Amino acid sequence: QSALTQPRSVSGSPGQSVTISCIGTSSDVGDYNYVSWYQQHPGKAPKLMIYAVSERPSGVPDRFSGSKSGNTASLTISGLQAEDEADYYCCSYAGSVVFGGGTKLTVL
Amino acid sequence: QVHLVQSGAEVKTPGASVKVSCKASGYTFSGNYMHWVRQAPGQGLEWMGWINPYTGGTNYAQKFQGRVTMTRDTSISTAYMELTRLRSADTAVYYCARVPQGAMYYVMDVWGQGTTVTVSS
Repeated sequence: QSALTQPRSVSGSPGQSVTISCIGTSSDVGDYNYVSWYQQHPGKAPKLMIYAVSERPSGVPDRFSGSKSGNTASLTISGLQAEDEADYYCCSYAGSVVFGGGTKLTVL
Repeated sequence: QVHLVQSGAEVKTPGASVKVSCKASGYTFSGNYMHWVRQAPGQGLEWMGWINPYTGGTNYAQKFQGRVTMTRDTSISTAYMELTRLRSADTAVYYCARVPQGAMYYVMDVWGQGTTVTVSS
C-alpha cells in the first residue's frame, strides 16, 4: 500500500487559516471514513488531532477541523497560533495502516 | 492517567537484533490494540504493525514481514517489538501507540515517548 500524498510544507500568518491536503486512492481514503491526523512537534511523539475524518478527541481545540472529498482528506487549522507550527501527518486504513509523508506547517 | 513508557536508547551493529519494550499503565492493557511506528531521522512516520494484547494476534506491514516480531506479557502490561537483521536504514525512533477501545486501527490516541535505535558499525 503506497503512502498517502501530502504537500511538503504550508505556511500562514497568525490568525489566518491553512488547509493541508492528503491524497489517497479509492481503496483507502476514498472508500472509508478511516482518516486520522497527527501533530508532531520537533523531538516529541505525535499527537492525535482528528479521527474518523472529522472527529476531534477531547482537548483538541475546535480550530482544528477535518473533511474529505473523494480520495482527498483535508485538515484545516483556523485562527493560526504560533504553537500550531509543527509537522502534520494524515493516516488511513484499508487492511493495513498507511501514513502520509508529512507536512511542515510554518507560522510566519 | 494513561501512559506508555518505552525502554531506553539502543546502539546495535549491522546484522544484530533489537527488542524494544513498551509498558502500559492507567488502563486495562489487554483491552486495546498496540501499534508500532518508526521514524527515521528527518523522515516521516512509518507503520510497522500491531498486536492484539488479548489474543497475541499480530498484523505486520509487508515491508517488515520476516524481520519483526511483536509480543506481549500481559502479567506486566508490556508490549515488545523485536527487529532482526538490522541495517543502517533501521536507524530510527521507534514508537508504540495505543488504539482506543472500540476504535478502528488507524486511530492512535496515546503514544510512548519513543526509543532511539542506532545501527552503526
